[in-house]
Amino acid sequence: RKEVEQDPGPFNVPEGATVAFNCTYSNSASQSFFWYRQDCRKEPKLLMSVYSSGNEDGRFTAQLNRASQYISLLIRDSKLSDSATYLCVVNVGANNLFFGTGTRLTVIP
Amino acid sequence: ETGVTQTPRHLVMGMTNKKSLKCEQHLGHNAMYWYKQSAKKPLELMFVYNFKEQTENNSVPSRFSPECPNSSHLFLHLHTLQPEDSALYLCASSHLTGPSYEQYFGPGTRLTVT
Repeated sequence: RKEVEQDPGPFNVPEGATVAFNCTYSNSASQSFFWYRQDCRKEPKLLMSVYSSGNEDGRFTAQLNRASQYISLLIRDSKLSDSATYLCVVNVGANNLFFGTGTRLTVIP
Repeated sequence: ETGVTQTPRHLVMGMTNKKSLKCEQHLGHNAMYWYKQSAKKPLELMFVYNFKEQTENNSVPSRFSPECPNSSHLFLHLHTLQPEDSALYLCASSHLTGPSYEQYFGPGTRLTVT
């Protein structure tokens, strides 16, 4: 079983739409969680950390459900510039960082 | 952004060549990482250095040899690679190797082995 699983998409949504991605992880000892964004042929960039209480950064909201072992990312009022691949990342221990394969989002004008 | 830089950005090498990838971080971090990203696969952690000491080697073949002369520089020496080693090689750094320390990536070296 994969450490981190994501729906690869693609998700094609119109500008202004709300879109949500989910990610599940297999190791209940996972300690920290992140969403990274990766543009085509570029490096991953940290979008936001995911805290147990949930957190929001502008149009982006991240949630963590430890009981069900899933993480979500909600994007409101989608912009064309949000088109990218979103990587779910789980840290099991000091050096054990696991990445999902990513969910591809395309925002259509 | 120039927090983490990598050179070269693109590299084509034959299976008998020897080459090195270079990474430099300007963020004052103490930990550095090498990752491999192949098409349709998640990022795979290859090596971790914490305060210049290697702390993780995820069963990477010996044809990949890392070197960390100080906490700002990281190298990946390559020799007798195989075509399946073609991938994007990403360097990252973080303050420390702990669960809450966010990693920052360089732009990567796109490697093609012919």
